[in-house]
Amino acid sequence: SQTIHQWPATLVQPVGSPLSLECTVEGTSNPNLYWYRQAAGRGLQLLFYSVGIGQISSEVPQNLSASRPQDRQFILSSKKLLLSDSGFYLCAWSSPGQGIYGYTFGSGTRLTVV
Amino acid sequence: GESVGLHLPTLSVQEGDNSIINCAYSNSASDYFIWYKQESGKGPQFIIDIRSNMDKRQGQRVTVLLNKTVKHLSLQIAATQPGDSAVYFCAENPFYGGSQGNLIFGKGTKLSVKP
Repeated sequence: SQTIHQWPATLVQPVGSPLSLECTVEGTSNPNLYWYRQAAGRGLQLLFYSVGIGQISSEVPQNLSASRPQDRQFILSSKKLLLSDSGFYLCAWSSPGQGIYGYTFGSGTRLTVV
Repeated sequence: GESVGLHLPTLSVQEGDNSIINCAYSNSASDYFIWYKQESGKGPQFIIDIRSNMDKRQGQRVTVLLNKTVKHLSLQIAATQPGDSAVYFCAENPFYGGSQGNLIFGKGTKLSVKP
């Protein structure tokens, strides 16, 4: 069965510090991968998605970047965090090539920038 | 697009009552729809899905209704329980059938169950 792992669960970082959040998927190959951000009490904002290794599409211009160094690994990064980067970050995967069109989400990372 | 900047609407129901959560979708070409449940501090979890060639699908205590004429989707929860308290998101896939479209999520509805 497929599983998605996302870490860390919580993170407190000072303004101006770098960020690296990691997401890995097991049990499937060539998944589509997604990074979402969710502010408290708000909806889901798509940040990046990837349909293959090295292929990144950005939905919202911002202080963050994403990379996909391996087929089932998706990384969200920042060189210098801003206060406005605080939020709940969610990774998700789907596999349209296998008929899996719904997204499966990870457990999320609560980021607080102080 | 996604209404990510808006506060979530809230639905408050009494334990044991039925809940109905509504969603208006945007794309008439969407032919696959999903409901997600998100508990506090957790990622959204799949509840039930429906394809556009259906107008109703039932799961365990949940029913999804699809009205393509008015582009409306609803989630019915029977005998609502405290554990059903969560935020519920609908999502549509405009290109089900092989194309690369991403899911479009609704703004979410917060369900609060009163004991």
